[in-house]
Amino acid sequence: DSGVTQTPKHLITATGQRVTLRCSPRSGDLSVYWYQQSLDQGLQFLIQYYNGEERAKGNILERFSAQQFPDLHSELNLSSLELGDSALYFCASSVGVQDSYNEQFFGPGTRLTVL
Amino acid sequence: GNSVTQMEGPVTLSEEAFLTINCTYTATGYPSLFWYVQYPGEGLQLLLKATKADDKGSNKGFEATYRKETTSFHLEKGSVQVSDSAVYFCALITGNQFYFGTGTSLTVIP
Repeated sequence: DSGVTQTPKHLITATGQRVTLRCSPRSGDLSVYWYQQSLDQGLQFLIQYYNGEERAKGNILERFSAQQFPDLHSELNLSSLELGDSALYFCASSVGVQDSYNEQFFGPGTRLTVL
Repeated sequence: GNSVTQMEGPVTLSEEAFLTINCTYTATGYPSLFWYVQYPGEGLQLLLKATKADDKGSNKGFEATYRKETTSFHLEKGSVQVSDSAVYFCALITGNQFYFGTGTSLTVIP
């Protein structure tokens, strides 16, 4: 158990809908990262937040957005969903912002299925 | 641009065999390199890392050496066990951007 929790575990929805994925980092970790893992594109970094502020952006679509709240939990919002958005979404957390030196701890993931 | 290329799987080995999973990278600047492991039904876990050229990361019998001249970070283990069956990801970070390889599935049979 990494100490990172993600809810829900599974989510099934229809095209065009909007969903929110939630992540609680390990106690004491200030950075939260979101990743998308799909069969055809592998594991892709989406976005990082550090202590409430956006820190780094990867291949995140404009239909997707994220935020980190004062209690440090984070939400990833996916809107206008398409079939291709079906994937496993991971959240990870780390202590600080110098990521070369801080290990990321991954949650168990949320499996999103868009029908 | 930045990228990570790792050998395609799946890889199937007998217990106690020698393991090598190749990883090469393209990066600007001075990246840090990582190997992560994903056991079935779980999230990724950091296996080992190296933050500068010639560094060797090691953990649980696995090793990888950061080779700047060949832009490689190959994962090795001298004697694999059934419990090593998992998917292994090579990754790099440079300029706060993270890049992962596509993963290599390893199955170790008794």
